[in-house]
Formats: sequence, C-alpha cells, structure tokens
Amino acid sequence: EDQVTQSPEALRLQEGESSSLNCSYTVSGLRGLFWYRQDPGKGPEFLFTLYSAGEEKEKERLKATLTKKESFLHITAPKPEDSATYLCASSSGTYKYIFGTGTRLKVLA
Amino acid sequence: GAGVSQSPSNKVTEKGKDVELRCDPISGHTALYWYRQSLGQGLEFLIYFQGNSAPDKSGLPSDRFSAERTGGSVSTLTIQRTQQEDSAVYLCASSRTGETQYFGPGTRLLVL
Repeated sequence: EDQVTQSPEALRLQEGESSSLNCSYTVSGLRGLFWYRQDPGKGPEFLFTLYSAGEEKEKERLKATLTKKESFLHITAPKPEDSATYLCASSSGTYKYIFGTGTRLKVLA
Repeated sequence: GAGVSQSPSNKVTEKGKDVELRCDPISGHTALYWYRQSLGQGLEFLIYFQGNSAPDKSGLPSDRFSAERTGGSVSTLTIQRTQQEDSAVYLCASSRTGETQYFGPGTRLLVL
C-alpha cells in the first residue's frame, strides 16, 4: 500500500536557524513528489513538484530534494513568515495523491 | 489568474440535515478532485472527476456522500443526513490532466 510519512510532526526554529523537513514515501512507480504549504484556515499552496531521484528545486529560502525513498525540504535562514504546515504528497498514477500528515513549522523572531 | 474557489467558506448544520458544497475550478482544468481534511489528519482523497465523469469514487466514505460535475466545470459535493463525524474541512483541487493539483481555500463544515 502506498504510504507517505512526514517528520518531525512539529518543529520550532529561531529566525535564521536552518533545518530540514523529511518526507519518506513507499510508492510503486512514483510519478511525482509534491510539496505544499498550508497556512491556518487556508487551502494548500503549491510549492514544488519533483519527478526523479537527484532532482532539486529552489524557491527563495526553500529547496526540495528527492531520493528513491525520501524527499527533504530544506529551509535556509527561515523567517517568521515561513511558519506554516508543510505537506508532502506522492503520486503513482495520473491523479491520486497520497498525503502525509504534515510538519507544523514555527519560526520564532 | 483566478484560482480555485469554494463556497461556502464555512457551514454549520444540524445532524441529519443535507449540505451542498461547491467548487469552481481553474478555467481550462479538466480534472477536479475532492479531499477531506480532519484535525490532525492528512488529506483524505474522496473523488476524482475527468471532465464530467468520475472514474474514481473510491474515497467516498459512505453512500451519504455524492458528487457531480456539470459542463466540465463546477462541481458539487453533497452530504446527506449529516453526522458529527462529517465535520471537517472539505478541499477541492483542479489540474490539467496528469499535472500538479491546485487547491481552493476549503469549506469548513461543522455538524452539531
């Protein structure tokens, strides 16, 4: 059964303290690995799609990487406005995403 | 451009009543998805539309849940005889076929 596990469940960082969020996946025939950001009371906001092991994508202070078993979302010198829940999802077909339960990130000023 | 919109943003209803949730996808997106997000849980897939057809309804929790899509655009998720366990955020997403899904803001449903 396809599965996505995110860790840690929650993370508190000081402003400027870099860290990484983990997404482990068990999917037969990965077609895509997706990262979303979700703010309280809002829908998930798309960040990145990764398709193959070794691929990396960057956006501002965020960088997503992918291996054959996991993906990392690296946050460099985070700011308080980066506080949110970060969701990871995998897809093995054309449409069904399997989501992890997310990592709640809090960045303190 | 306009994103996915959902209405109502919040809905409070009494147990046993029926509710309808609406989703307007991004223009040109042929695929539409419904998910449910409960507190502390991941997003749970409910149903997928390609055009007006629903090839995968496997995630609908019970026969009280149904959904339709008309004109390849707007979709309605209907929950009949609501129960307290139906309380959750219902999220809609749309995409071009096989491409990244983009989400709406969700409808927060509370069943008293």
